[in-house]
Amino acid sequence: SYVLTQPPSVSVAPGKTARITCGANRIGSKSVHWYQQKPGQAPVLVMYYNDDRPSGIPERFSGSNSGNTATLTISSVEAGEEADYYCQVWDSDTDHVVFGGGTKLTVL
Amino acid sequence: QVHLVEFGGGAVQPGRSLTLSCVGSGFNFNNYGMHWARQAPGKGLQWVAVMSSDGSDIYYADSVKGRFSISRDNAKNTLYLQMNSLRPEDTSVYYCARDPGAGVAGSIDYWGQGTLVTVSS
Repeated sequence: SYVLTQPPSVSVAPGKTARITCGANRIGSKSVHWYQQKPGQAPVLVMYYNDDRPSGIPERFSGSNSGNTATLTISSVEAGEEADYYCQVWDSDTDHVVFGGGTKLTVL
Repeated sequence: QVHLVEFGGGAVQPGRSLTLSCVGSGFNFNNYGMHWARQAPGKGLQWVAVMSSDGSDIYYADSVKGRFSISRDNAKNTLYLQMNSLRPEDTSVYYCARDPGAGVAGSIDYWGQGTLVTVSS
């Protein structure tokens, strides 16, 4: 099965840039989607098809995907963006949705 | 505004069955694939199943295949998840979620608020 690997935690000071990675074999050949989940809330889509932002998501959120790593970048991080972030792909070999294990973003 | 509301969660004994429902509003339910996903307490997201808009394509996670069944009634804007032979490890918040494609695009653009299923004796 296809496995997406995320760091369990990332910490960043307010106003700095946070980079959350999602690693997998040849992930650059797939479309990666990212979700933000705050405590007690449902997930929210923050990036789709690698680098497209849904309406309402700040331009400070950006995405990239190449080789074996996809990255969600949040510039000028705000306290309200402290949350769990999940990457996700569609594995066409198994017809399964696959989620990464999630990364807890802490704003110091 | 897209709105998804899940119903039917609760406490159930191992080996028993439970059916979840999800009602969609604010969009043309007929035109979108729909997913179920879940999240065990304190754990990450886990995908459960997906059904295309017309029901022609259905896929399940290995952990639920043969025990869970996804279905939909487009006339009622409702998605279902029939869960049989429930196990303690099925204890999770279950989310209904919309796929942006009519088929199965394999991503999720909107999520419901979830319903908790607790499997325990």
